[in-house]
Amino acid sequence: SQKIEQNSEALNIQEGKTATLTCNYTNYSPAYLQWYRQDPGRGPVFLLLIRENEKEKRKERLKVTFDTTLKQSLFHITASQPADSATYLCALLSGNTPLVFGKGTRLSVIA
Amino acid sequence: EAGVAQSPRYKIIEKRQSVAFWCNPISGHATLYWYQQILGQGPKLLIQFQNNGVVDDSQLPKDRFSAERLKGVDSTLKIQPAKLEDSAVYLCASSLDGAPGYEQYFGPGTRLTVT
Repeated sequence: SQKIEQNSEALNIQEGKTATLTCNYTNYSPAYLQWYRQDPGRGPVFLLLIRENEKEKRKERLKVTFDTTLKQSLFHITASQPADSATYLCALLSGNTPLVFGKGTRLSVIA
Repeated sequence: EAGVAQSPRYKIIEKRQSVAFWCNPISGHATLYWYQQILGQGPKLLIQFQNNGVVDDSQLPKDRFSAERLKGVDSTLKIQPAKLEDSAVYLCASSLDGAPGYEQYFGPGTRLTVT
């Protein structure tokens, strides 16, 4: 069956460091991969979308990679700040299937 | 631009009771989604509307859940009768179009507790 795994439930890093979150998938061939941020008590907020034919996408301090051979996406936040603390969700989409979300990784950036 | 509005924000009911949630999407967005998010999990799609037609309801427990989107704008999601396992946050989202690549805008959600 289709499966999406985000590397860990929680990740703690020091302010200023680069946070790297992992999203692995099996039995799935997504055409698109999206990353969302979710704060407690709020709905997810869209951050980045990357297509299967794109290797890397950047937006300000965010970078996403998409390796369809490894079936993996990496999400990087450079120069992390305490305000980046949140849960980050990856979501996969293929042509005829709806968006499928992973469980998320809770990131804590410690000052 | 106003975001996706949902009400109520919180609801507590007893099992076997019924409950309804309301969503007002961003103006001009053709596609509306209802998700269920259980604590510690990612959102799971329940139903997707394109204007006022259903695109995907394969994961909607149709024996107890129903949804409608009147006139292709507002939408309501109903649970009747509720079970303990329905305790979750119900998220509404909208997008300009349902085609892949269009980002979804989420509302704040309704937290349902079934006792």
